[in-house]
Amino acid sequence: GPKVLQIPSHQIIDMGQMVTLNCDPVSNHLYFYWYKQILGQQMEFLVNFYNGKVMEKSKLFKDQFSVERPDGSYFTLKIQPTALEDSAVYFCASSSKYNNQAPLFGEGTRLSVL
Amino acid sequence: SQWGEENLQALSIQEGEDVTMNCSYKTYTTVVQWYRQKSGKGPAQLILIRSNEREKRSGRLRATLDTSSQSSSLSITGTLATDTAVYFCATEASSGQKLVFGQGTILKVYL
Repeated sequence: GPKVLQIPSHQIIDMGQMVTLNCDPVSNHLYFYWYKQILGQQMEFLVNFYNGKVMEKSKLFKDQFSVERPDGSYFTLKIQPTALEDSAVYFCASSSKYNNQAPLFGEGTRLSVL
Repeated sequence: SQWGEENLQALSIQEGEDVTMNCSYKTYTTVVQWYRQKSGKGPAQLILIRSNEREKRSGRLRATLDTSSQSSSLSITGTLATDTAVYFCATEASSGQKLVFGQGTILKVYL
């Protein structure tokens, strides 16, 4: 079936560096999401994106965060600069226009900020 | 049950038993979606139940929704060890809007 792909699966960077997390959503999906999950905790919404624009962002979506879909393919989450508390697993999801399909999630990118 | 400030719930049962997990929600929703997350993996869709439905079945899964009490349940019959995972319910005000996840229920099914 269709899948959301996230690359890479694990990224280790030094605090203060920039990181870009990549997501390859399902090809005919129009809505895109990023979620953050700290180990053992619930999924927390960061941001959703539609038609080239941010629809809604949470308090967790700090000024250092940005999203875009530059070439119509990858949906990216950029953190610049990173902080220690950004260490978590970041999940991307996408969904279609119609309210009969739950958003489909990728396997996540584990971000370790040292 | 899961939601809001409730602690993460954990259940441990023997393979073959039936189990029901509950969640309650606080805001308006058009659907309740149940996901399963296995260790080290992303959430996987299980079942979606819409606000005009009271019950939905899929294989060994059964979801219910009571919009008057703002609660939903997920039942698994004849559990298997492979059902071991964290189960989340999530609500969505409308298509494309954010999913709001509950705290989750940790289910461990042992042989």
